[in-house]
Amino acid sequence: AQSVTQLGSHVSVSEGALVLLRCNYSSSVPPYLFWYVQYPNQGLQLLLKYTSAATLVKGINGFEAEFKKSETSFHLTKPSAHMSDAAEYFCAVSESGGSNYKLTFGKGTLLTVNP
Amino acid sequence: DGGITQSPKYLFRKEGQNVTLSCEQNLNHDAMYWYRQDPGQGLRLIYYSQIVNDFQKGDIAEGYSVSREKKESFPLTVTSAQKNPTAFYLCATTGYNSPLHFGNGTRLTVT
Repeated sequence: AQSVTQLGSHVSVSEGALVLLRCNYSSSVPPYLFWYVQYPNQGLQLLLKYTSAATLVKGINGFEAEFKKSETSFHLTKPSAHMSDAAEYFCAVSESGGSNYKLTFGKGTLLTVNP
Repeated sequence: DGGITQSPKYLFRKEGQNVTLSCEQNLNHDAMYWYRQDPGQGLRLIYYSQIVNDFQKGDIAEGYSVSREKKESFPLTVTSAQKNPTAFYLCATTGYNSPLHFGNGTRLTVT
């Protein structure tokens, strides 16, 4: 069965500092991995996805994530935080792709950016 | 514009009443999903449908029902059997090689 663990339910950084949000997964097959962002009272927006191509995946808004099979990790990073990055971030895993994505989500990490 | 419309954005009901949440899409996506979100719990899958007139239970289907009579629509009914219905409900769709695309959600409060 697939599962996701996000380490840290709340991360606080200063504006301009490195953002690092941690995600570890469990999957019985090569996984598809995703990061989503959610602003208050809105749906989730896809930041980036890993689908077995390059292990370093670049997404929107300057975020990127690196797939490390040996560590079963898919951590999200951004070199310099902006105030507009404050939101909740969700990591998700799927063991199937095509039109049959059935995602399992982590519990989320709330990112706070301090001026 | 293509997208997913969830209505209403906020919904209030008395305990013991059934309530139906609407989800409509014009993305021509085959698969549709309902997730429930509670603070600190992430998203949990309630039901999903990969084709018209067919749907499957997700991880927390008890107390919920769905229908998929047409490709564009996947309404969710929260029945009186759902013990803790107050939550944020998200509808999503996928097309071929297109990851989950979400609507803006309906916040249901039952008192």
